[in-house]
Amino acid sequence: QVQLVESGGGVVQPGKSLRLSCVASGFSFSDYPMHWVRQTPGKEMECLSAVSYDGKRQFNVDFLKGRFTISRDNSKNTLYLQIDSLRVEDTAMYYCARGRVVIGTPPRYYIDYWGQGVLVTVSS
Amino acid sequence: DIQMTQSPSSLSASLGDRVTITCRASQDIRNYVAWFQQKPGEAPRSLIYAASTLHNGVPSKFSGSRSGTDFTLTISSLQPEDFATYYCQQYHIYPYTFGQGTKLDIK
Repeated sequence: QVQLVESGGGVVQPGKSLRLSCVASGFSFSDYPMHWVRQTPGKEMECLSAVSYDGKRQFNVDFLKGRFTISRDNSKNTLYLQIDSLRVEDTAMYYCARGRVVIGTPPRYYIDYWGQGVLVTVSS
Repeated sequence: DIQMTQSPSSLSASLGDRVTITCRASQDIRNYVAWFQQKPGEAPRSLIYAASTLHNGVPSKFSGSRSGTDFTLTISSLQPEDFATYYCQQYHIYPYTFGQGTKLDIK
């Protein structure tokens, strides 16, 4: 069965960096696009970034101002999210999710499976 | 960014009821809408994509529809396991955006 397991969260000071990981199993990881989504303490859901199956195409959010970088290592079945210059408002539950492609220009990726999430708390 | 205005924000219903949740998009998003269910302390669960297509394993008591830029999730014959928070999401243009959520609880 599809499993997505996130790790790398915790309590971190403002200004520091963090790298989240998501290890996939139960499917051919290299065939699927992937997402990072976060949920704030107020339960708001935000898409952060998405990446194509081969890592060559990325979708990012302007308001994050380049602080968030998505990447993947298909040889390790692992998705990453590098978060730099952490802010208090980055405190959230971070989910990785598997995407399914809708072919088009641009392609769209809807979500079918979610990981259990990893909590990131930014506090001094 | 595309805004998804979801209503109501909360909803009380009884076992066996049929309920409807609506999302309105701020622009044309064709049928690129998904719906998710989330229970307290759990990850979201994908219910519907392409406005009306159920994911594998999702019971037919859930249904979705589209009318222009208005999208509806309908849940029939409510059972205890259906009481949760529901979110819509557009995936037409990145950043994909979510509605604010609808908390469905037992009356």
